[in-house]
Amino acid sequence: NAGVTQTPKFQVLKTGQSMTLQCAQDMNHNSMYWYRQDPGMGLRLIYYSASEGTTDKGEVPNGYNVSRLNKREFSLRLESAAPSQTSVYFCASSELLGTSSYNEQFFGPGTRLTVL
Amino acid sequence: AQSVTQLGSHVSVSEGALVLLRCNYSSSVPPYLFWYVQYPNQGLQLLLKYTTGATLVKGINGFEAEFKKSETSFHLTKPSAHMSDAAEYFCAVSFTGGGNKLTFGTGTQLKVEL
Repeated sequence: NAGVTQTPKFQVLKTGQSMTLQCAQDMNHNSMYWYRQDPGMGLRLIYYSASEGTTDKGEVPNGYNVSRLNKREFSLRLESAAPSQTSVYFCASSELLGTSSYNEQFFGPGTRLTVL
Repeated sequence: AQSVTQLGSHVSVSEGALVLLRCNYSSSVPPYLFWYVQYPNQGLQLLLKYTTGATLVKGINGFEAEFKKSETSFHLTKPSAHMSDAAEYFCAVSFTGGGNKLTFGTGTQLKVEL
């Protein structure tokens, strides 16, 4: 099992460019998440998908869009990149059983994005 | 709303010494609490979690944490630090009906010195 995979690993964009970050998991998990990690701020949730066909905003959704393509894949799109979006982006997945909220999240290796 | 506070963004210990990383939470409903570890240039992995029941939770690599409701704390400890423990540690909270979403603390960088 590869677990959670993310592409690309590194990316440099100019202000105003667009790009899509890809994420895939092979653990048959229902739920997937996108976080950004900034120094001194921990991880903050951008968007999440509780199950295939649903997406919801997290704490910091502005400037991003997501697509839950199927059960395996969850992409994050920056339509017009800004320097404030320079960050490390992590995708995660977990099982979701009823209303339980204590299932382990499995994280990908991250994408390091720089916006100039 | 839930929140997590980690006291000390950087902690330094000697190899063989006690590791104590502090985490306090704020939650209006019974929380679920987690500790994750991040090694350099990697994603996060779960160390341990508290859901219900026994308040002393044991995790991987010799770490443990105790849920203290009266102190709203979930501090992470390890009796004897090893060089391989050097990493960043994150405390996180979720709650029933929250869709398994996590709210993370700002992290504590652990340095282990010879």
